[in-house]
Amino acid sequence: DAGVIQSPRHEVTEMGQEVTLRCKPISGHNSLFWYRQTMMRGLELLIYFNNNVPIDDSGMPEDRFSAKMPNASFSTLKIQPSEPRDSAVYFCASSSTGLVGELFFGEGSRLTVL
Amino acid sequence: AQSVTQPDIHITVSEGASLELRCNYSYGATPYLFWYVQSPGQGLQLLLKYFSGDTLVQGIKGFEAEFKRSQSSFNLRKPSVHWSDAAEYFCAVGNYGGSQGNLIFGKGTKLSVKP
Repeated sequence: DAGVIQSPRHEVTEMGQEVTLRCKPISGHNSLFWYRQTMMRGLELLIYFNNNVPIDDSGMPEDRFSAKMPNASFSTLKIQPSEPRDSAVYFCASSSTGLVGELFFGEGSRLTVL
Repeated sequence: AQSVTQPDIHITVSEGASLELRCNYSYGATPYLFWYVQSPGQGLQLLLKYFSGDTLVQGIKGFEAEFKRSQSSFNLRKPSVHWSDAAEYFCAVGNYGGSQGNLIFGKGTKLSVKP
């Protein structure tokens, strides 16, 4: 079975550029989470969706960050404009209502903003 | 607010030795508690979870954890560590209302295993 698929795995960009990270959750899962991981702050929840609806976006750092989930099989996290402090590994995870707390993580997208 | 503390940033143990990773949580009600493991370059994988009932829970890869309400702890243990257990371990508390919610993770403990 395919797990959570994230792309790109690595992205290097320059400050000011737009970055789009993509996620395909596990088929049948109805919850999707975006986390950011840095050495300083650890794993931070940015936003999560339930049935394609954003439930909690209080972790989104600022207006430069936006996330969408147009359908059950696809989500994007966009940063515009990007800044060096956005450099991190961004994880997407999915889950199902019956799997309380059991998140299935993708392999992450490592973003470097120069 | 809910929070998770993992006091040890990095632990080194010898292969075959026992292991205990500490986790303390802050939560107003009976918590949902989890341990996840992250191998280098990978996402996180669930090791075990506690919702209610028996306070000693078994997980994958020979790991277990014990919930102690009086100490607000959920420590992870393994009686004999293998070199393949070298990874980073994250404790998490579930912030759930009904079936919706999310996980709050600790900062992680990196485990190194000496041959």
